[in-house]
Amino acid sequence: GNSVTQMEGPVTLSEEAFLTINCTYTATGYPSLFWYVQYPGEGLQLLLKATKADDKGSNKGFEATYRKETTSFHLEKGSVQVSDSAVYFCALSAAWGKLQFGAGTQVVVTP
Amino acid sequence: EAGVTQSPTHLIKTRGQQATLRCSPISGHTSVYWYQQALGLGLQFLLWYDEGEERNRGNFPPRFSGRQFPNYSSELNVNALELEDSALYLCASSLDQRNNSPLHFGNGTRLTVT
Repeated sequence: GNSVTQMEGPVTLSEEAFLTINCTYTATGYPSLFWYVQYPGEGLQLLLKATKADDKGSNKGFEATYRKETTSFHLEKGSVQVSDSAVYFCALSAAWGKLQFGAGTQVVVTP
Repeated sequence: EAGVTQSPTHLIKTRGQQATLRCSPISGHTSVYWYQQALGLGLQFLLWYDEGEERNRGNFPPRFSGRQFPNYSSELNVNALELEDSALYLCASSLDQRNNSPLHFGNGTRLTVT
């Protein structure tokens, strides 16, 4: 079946540091891939998406490239801010109406 | 544009009772999804409704049920509550059923079962 594996958190880093959150997936067919972010006390917000191999999603300085050969969709940001502290979820959509989420990675950015 | 709205924000019930959670999708969205976010278990897919019909269901017992109304709002009902049902229940909506249509989430209902 389909599954998403994310690196475990928490990831703690200083402001302006480089952030990478690894995400790999297992799926049949050609899933769409997403990154969602959940700020404290809130629901999930779509951060970026990619719908086919080699697509790069980007938003708010975050980027992720759909790598079919390595079945990966790693999230990166070149210079994080304190306001980026949140939980980040990688997800894939391969079946009607069903998003499969990773376990989430908590990111803590300190000033 | 108003986002996905959920009510109540918090709900406290005792074991064995029933809980009803409500969700209003973004205007124009016909698909509504329910997810359970329990501590340590991540986000688990519960139910998907579209055009008033249940289209897909996750691995949850039948005491988890719901419905979608003609205005596309939705209710999630949990009968015979158990302590492990304590979780954040997230509702999401999407414009259509294609798998590349992103889901838009509400802020959730925090259900506590004592």
